[in-house]
Amino acid sequence: EAAVTQSPRSKVAVTGGKVTLSCHQTNNHDYMYWYRQDTGHGLRLIHYSYVADSTEKGDIPDGYKASRPSQENFSLILELASLSQTAVYFCASSDEWWGKDTQYFGPGTRLLVL
Amino acid sequence: AQSVTQPDARVTVSEGASLQLRCKYSYFGTPYLFWYVQYPRQGLQLLLKYYPGDPVVQGVNGFEAEFSKSNSSFHLRKASVHWSDWAVYFCAVSIHMGYKLTFGTGTSLLVDP
Repeated sequence: EAAVTQSPRSKVAVTGGKVTLSCHQTNNHDYMYWYRQDTGHGLRLIHYSYVADSTEKGDIPDGYKASRPSQENFSLILELASLSQTAVYFCASSDEWWGKDTQYFGPGTRLLVL
Repeated sequence: AQSVTQPDARVTVSEGASLQLRCKYSYFGTPYLFWYVQYPRQGLQLLLKYYPGDPVVQGVNGFEAEFSKSNSSFHLRKASVHWSDWAVYFCAVSIHMGYKLTFGTGTSLLVDP
């Protein structure tokens, strides 16, 4: 079974502070993704990566950076956290990028920015 | 660009009753379509997915979905709902050679005992 883990599972941050969300997958997948989930918006893609040491912007990248130091690990970085970044963040991985591949999701990180 | 609409934010059904959750997609070609389920405080799990072929797709736990090109729809169905089906259901679309999933806003399913 595919396995994607995220840490921390929840976090409270202060406005203007730095936040790092981590994701680890043991699927040997090349593709990894960061989404945020907000009520009424479903999931929206922030950043994705198809190879280590490279990241790409998704649909809503502003205010976020990503880092892929290895195939297994993918981090999302909020350099200056803002109230509007309060959300649930999901990491996912997939084997291919042909569009038809299943994405496997982690359990999510609940971020509250005060 | 592709998009997905789930017109029902919340659906309530009685346990044992049948279920249909609606999904409409927008894409000029033939898409790949997915239904994911999110149980409380968990990540998303795949229920089923559609590739061009048989329009009726079987998934896990008795779920099925039917693709209709003429209606641009991919509705999810289940013959008899169980209390454990209480969750949020997301429809998603991707395209050939596409790198991402585009999600709908989700439908919360509530099951009356």
